[in-house]
Amino acid sequence: DAGVTQSPTHLIKTRGQHVTLRCSPISGHKSVSWYQQVLGQGPQFIFQYYEKEERGRGNFPDRFSARQFPNYSSELNVNALLLGDSALYLCASSLFTQRETQYFGPGTRLLVL
Amino acid sequence: QQPVQSPQAVILREGEDAVINCSSSKALYSVHWYRQKHGEAPVFLMILLKGGEQKGHEKISASFNEKKQQSSLYLTASQLSYSGTYFCGTERGGRGETSGSRLTFGEGTQLTVNP
Repeated sequence: DAGVTQSPTHLIKTRGQHVTLRCSPISGHKSVSWYQQVLGQGPQFIFQYYEKEERGRGNFPDRFSARQFPNYSSELNVNALLLGDSALYLCASSLFTQRETQYFGPGTRLLVL
Repeated sequence: QQPVQSPQAVILREGEDAVINCSSSKALYSVHWYRQKHGEAPVFLMILLKGGEQKGHEKISASFNEKKQQSSLYLTASQLSYSGTYFCGTERGGRGETSGSRLTFGEGTQLTVNP
C-alpha cells in the first residue's frame, strides 16, 4: 500500500509570498493532521481534519489555513510568508482522530528568503 | 504542556541497551513514539493507550505509567540502524474516536549507536 504522499518535496519562497502544500493520506484513512517542524525541535501541531471538517487547530496565526477534499487529500496554505515559517511541514494520516497511529509523510521542506 | 524527554542525548556501542523517558504534567490518553533520521520524516514505533493496550513493532518495547503520566521506550541490543532522534508525542482526549485530537511532541532524544 502507498504511504502518505506530500508535494512538493522542497520549496523556496520569498517573504510576503503565499505557499500551498499538498498531502494525500494512506488509502482508507479519513483524518489528516499538519505539523510544522523547525530544525532541532519536535513537530508542532497546526491543524487536524476529519471527514472534511476541521477538528483541531494549534497555536498558529490566521495566515495558516487548510482544507480537506472529498477524497480526503488536504492542502495547507500559508499567506504572507515570514522568515520564521522556514521549516519541514509534515502531514500525518490516521483512520480516526484519537487513539490511532498517525503515519507521517516525507514532508515538504520550505525555505523562506 | 510539552512533554519532557530524558536524556537529551545518549551514545551507545552496538549491542548496548538504552531507556528513553517521556513525562507529562497533564493526564494522558495515549503516548506515541517515533524515530526520525536526519532529513527524513518521523517513523512510527509504538503507541501506548490508556487502559493498557499497545500497538507497535515486535522488537520495540515500551511502558506507560498512567498514574505518573510517564512513558519509557526500551531499546535492547542496539543496532547501528537505531541511531536517530526519538520523539514521544502525547495525546489528551477521551471525547470519542472522531473528536479532535493532537499530538504534542517533546524536544527529542538523540541516540547515536557506534560500532
